[in-house]
Amino acid sequence: KAGVTQTPRYLIKTRGQQVTLSCSPISGHRSVSWYQQTPGQGLQFLFEYFSETQRNKGNFPGRFSGRQFSNSRSEMNVSTLELGDSALYLCASSLRGSGSSSETQYFGPGTRLLVL
Amino acid sequence: AQSVAQPEDQVNVAEGNPLTVKCTYSVSGNPYLFWYVQYPNRGLQFLLKYITGDNLVKGSYGFEAEFNKSQTSFHLKKPSALVSDSALYFCAVRDDPAGGGNKLTFGTGTQLKVEL
Repeated sequence: KAGVTQTPRYLIKTRGQQVTLSCSPISGHRSVSWYQQTPGQGLQFLFEYFSETQRNKGNFPGRFSGRQFSNSRSEMNVSTLELGDSALYLCASSLRGSGSSSETQYFGPGTRLLVL
Repeated sequence: AQSVAQPEDQVNVAEGNPLTVKCTYSVSGNPYLFWYVQYPNRGLQFLLKYITGDNLVKGSYGFEAEFNKSQTSFHLKKPSALVSDSALYFCAVRDDPAGGGNKLTFGTGTQLKVEL
């Protein structure tokens, strides 16, 4: 079974631009979560989607948004990019998310975003 | 709020020696604890989890973890370290699924260096 895939793997943008990152979960997984990883803040939860609905949201500004499609694929968007948005963005999928206590989240390889 | 602490930024161990990577947690309900490993320029790989049951959890690549409720610890162990185990290790706690959350809160990570 293929793992979580994320595209693109690397991205360079300039301040003020916007960016869209894509995540395809493991086949059959319906919950997709996004995390931001930076050297200073570590790994931080952005949001979780299940059945095309945002179910949980972290403490990030409204410039960070996401959506999920009917095939469970998810995208996240960052508008008006700032230098501090440079990070590794990780996507994770699980079967039902909060519907099961024993589930594991499986992570993709990440998208490395550099904002200049 | 749930949290985990990894008190050591780096752990050095000689190949063939046992290794321990420490993690302590703070939760308001049942603890759902995970260990992940990250190799350079890669996403997170799942190693093992504690949901309920036996305090000694066995995982991938020969790793195991010991859950200790009285000490609120979940230390990662391996009887004999390999150079290839050198990587960044993260402990994480999951929101109580009964509360509807699937968010993972991560520790700051411990860099494991295994030397010949």
